[in-house]
Amino acid sequence: SQTIHQWPATLVQPVGSPLSLECTVEGTSNPNLYWYRQAAGRGLQLLFYSVGIGQISSEVPQNLSASRPQDRQFILSSKKLLLSDSGFYLCAWSVVPFNQPQHFGDGTRLSIL
Amino acid sequence: GENVEQHPSTLSVQEGDSAVIKCTYSDSASNYFPWYKQELGKRPQLIIDIRSNVGEKKDQRIAVTLNKTAKHFSLHITETQPEDSAVYFCAAINSGGSNYKLTFGKGTLLTVNP
Repeated sequence: SQTIHQWPATLVQPVGSPLSLECTVEGTSNPNLYWYRQAAGRGLQLLFYSVGIGQISSEVPQNLSASRPQDRQFILSSKKLLLSDSGFYLCAWSVVPFNQPQHFGDGTRLSIL
Repeated sequence: GENVEQHPSTLSVQEGDSAVIKCTYSDSASNYFPWYKQELGKRPQLIIDIRSNVGEKKDQRIAVTLNKTAKHFSLHITETQPEDSAVYFCAAINSGGSNYKLTFGKGTLLTVNP
């Protein structure tokens, strides 16, 4: 069966520090991968998605970036965090065809001080 | 692109009552509609989904209906229990297009009072 791992579960970072969040999927090949951010009490904001290695689509202009160095690995990064980057970051995967559900990881709660 | 509207934003019911959450979508080509439940501090989890070739789908106390003509779909929860309290998100996608992302509604906070 397929599983998705996301870490760390919680992270507290100072403003201006770098960020790296990692997500890996097991049990499937060539998944579609997604990064979402959720502010407290709010909806799901899609940040990036990827349909293959090295293929990244950005949804929202910001100081974040994403990379997919391996088929089942998706990384969210920032060179300098802002206070507004605080939130609950969720990685998700799905398979083609696209009428299949997305499955979410357990998320990373990021607090910027 | 696709736009999904979800109503109501909050819903409070008594235990044992039914709850209904409605979503409308704008892209008539959308053909896949999942529903997610998110408990406080947890990840969204798929609870039921429906494809456009079906008008209704049931799974125990949960059902989803789809009206393609009116472009709306609804989640029905019967005999609600306190553990049904959570935020529910609807979503839509045209799986045959070049758009690879789900469009989510803004969510409904359901509170089931004992």
